[in-house]
Amino acid sequence: KNQVEQSPQSLIILEGKNCTLQCNYTVSPFSNLRWYKQDTGRGPVSLTIMTFSENTKSNGRYTATLDADTKQSSLHITASQLSDSASYICVVTDASGGSYIPTFGRGTSLIVHP
Amino acid sequence: DAGVTQSPTHLIKTRGQQVTLRCSPKSGHDTVSWYQQALGQGPQFIFQYYEEEERQRGNFPDRFSGHQFPNYSSELNVNALLLGDSALYLCASSLGAGSYLAGRYNEQFFGPGTRLTVL
Repeated sequence: KNQVEQSPQSLIILEGKNCTLQCNYTVSPFSNLRWYKQDTGRGPVSLTIMTFSENTKSNGRYTATLDADTKQSSLHITASQLSDSASYICVVTDASGGSYIPTFGRGTSLIVHP
Repeated sequence: DAGVTQSPTHLIKTRGQQVTLRCSPKSGHDTVSWYQQALGQGPQFIFQYYEEEERQRGNFPDRFSGHQFPNYSSELNVNALLLGDSALYLCASSLGAGSYLAGRYNEQFFGPGTRLTVL
């Protein structure tokens, strides 16, 4: 069964600090991995997407890494801002049989305090 | 350019009732996917519609059905509602579910969701 595990479940940091969120997956065969940001009560918004041949992707203060061998990804947030408070969801899509069904992690809830 | 829109924003139903949720995709998109997100959980894939047909389906019972119209908008229907159906229902649109490259790289744009409460 395809699974995506994220850690930590929740994280509290001070404004201006950096943090790193982790994602481990068992999805196979692997198509792509995305990180989404979801504000409370809103739909997720894509931050980065990586295929198996990419091991890092940046989007402003967000940098995602991917190790397809160990099936791990991380999302690093630099110089956090209050607006970074949200849930960050790792999504891995498998490519079995020509279908592309995404598996979502439960998300890491990030709270940035002033 | 309007993004993905969903209606209604909130809905309260009682057990056993039926509900219909609606989604309009982002302009230019032809593929609509539906997700169920329980409180504190990640979204769970329900199904995907492309060319007015259900192309892929997640692990959801037949009580969950859908439809896609010629203008690419979509409906999610849930029959015989259970308390456990209470969740945020998200619609996501993308382009070209039928192509290999689209499947590998296509980005899904999510709507704001419909919050369904079953009492």
